[in-house]
Amino acid sequence: GESVGLHLPTLSVQEGDNSIINCAYSNSASDYFIWYKQESGKGPQFIIDIRSNMDKRQGQRVTVLLNKTVKHLSLQIAATQPGDSAVYFCAENSQGAQKLVFGQGTRLTINP
Amino acid sequence: NAGVMQNPRHLVRRRGQEARLRCSPMKGHSHVYWYRQLPEEGLKFMVYLQKENIIDESGMPKERFSAEFPKEGPSILRIQQVVRGDSAAYFCASSPRGISQPQHFGDGTRLSIL
Repeated sequence: GESVGLHLPTLSVQEGDNSIINCAYSNSASDYFIWYKQESGKGPQFIIDIRSNMDKRQGQRVTVLLNKTVKHLSLQIAATQPGDSAVYFCAENSQGAQKLVFGQGTRLTINP
Repeated sequence: NAGVMQNPRHLVRRRGQEARLRCSPMKGHSHVYWYRQLPEEGLKFMVYLQKENIIDESGMPKERFSAEFPKEGPSILRIQQVVRGDSAAYFCASSPRGISQPQHFGDGTRLSIL
């Protein structure tokens, strides 16, 4: 069945270090992936997306890597800042499906 | 540019009452999605609507729950005869052209059932 899961439920990093958040998916038909950031009391905020015809995409301080062979997605945040503290969700969509399937989330905390 | 607007932000209902949650999509977006989130969990898809049409309601319970997106006005998620298990955060998202485009979320309605 389709599912999206995360390897680590929590991640703690030092301010200024790079953060890597991982996500596994099981639906081989998934062709569109999104990373969202959710702060307490807020809705998910779009960070970056990637389509299955790509294996890497970069934004401002963020990079998403897609490995279709092992069905793995990662979000890299460079020079992590206190404002990056949040829960991060990956979500996937397969062609023809009219919904996003979300993972459980990874809580990222920043140590000063 | 206003984002996705949801109201109310918090809603308290007693068991058996009705809950109505409203969502105004971003300007120019005609695709609306509703999701439900329990504490410490990811979002679960409920329903996908375009103007005046329900496209996919596979994630919505068959009883007590309904959704609409009229030609004029916001999208409404309606829960009749609420039960304690309906307590959750309900999020609305919108996109301009349907799936495979980023969905932009509102800040949700926190529904509490007494």
